[in-house]
Amino acid sequence: NAGVTQTPKFRILKIGQSMTLQCTQDMNHNYMYWYRQDPGMGLKLIYYSVGAGITDKGEVPNGYNVSRSTTEDFPLRLELAAPSQTSVYFCASSYSGLAGGWGITDTQYFGPGTRLTVL
Amino acid sequence: KNEVEQSPQNLTAQEGEFITINCSYSVGISALHWLQQHPGGGIVSLFMLSSGKKKHGRLIATINIQEKHSSLHITASHPRDSAVYICAVIRRETSGSRLTFGEGTQLTVNP
Repeated sequence: NAGVTQTPKFRILKIGQSMTLQCTQDMNHNYMYWYRQDPGMGLKLIYYSVGAGITDKGEVPNGYNVSRSTTEDFPLRLELAAPSQTSVYFCASSYSGLAGGWGITDTQYFGPGTRLTVL
Repeated sequence: KNEVEQSPQNLTAQEGEFITINCSYSVGISALHWLQQHPGGGIVSLFMLSSGKKKHGRLIATINIQEKHSSLHITASHPRDSAVYICAVIRRETSGSRLTFGEGTQLTVNP
């Protein structure tokens, strides 16, 4: 199993450009998440998905969009890049057998991260 | 004040020392998660616990729900334990669950 994979590893964008960060997992997990990590700060949840076709906002969703058309893929879209979106982005997945959110056995598996710089 | 506070922010130890990292939170939670972030940036889940204690190798995690406090202990520390250790709490809200992270504790173990 490859686990959680993310592409690209690094990217530099100009202000106003758009891009999609790709995330794929091969563990048949129902939950997937996108986080951002700013220097010296804790991880913050951007969006999450509890299954194909279902997504919901996290703590910092503004400026981002997501979709979940398959169990495996959970792309994150930046439409109009801004310097405030310079960060490291992590995708994660987990399996939850409990409805309504994270169950107590939900170990999250993280991707390697994408370092994004917006100039 | 952050909902999840970790202490210390930075910790330097000598190889072989016993290490404790603390996590305090101010909200009701259903579970708590300890994560390890390697110097290269990769994140690994260490423990998920909702009560008591869990042990994996040289790592021990404890939680006291009444006191809203968790600790991560590393016995016989080794330079390869050098990493950022992150505490995260899971709480149920009417709109669903929410995962809130502490800012992490940077651990450096010197040989």
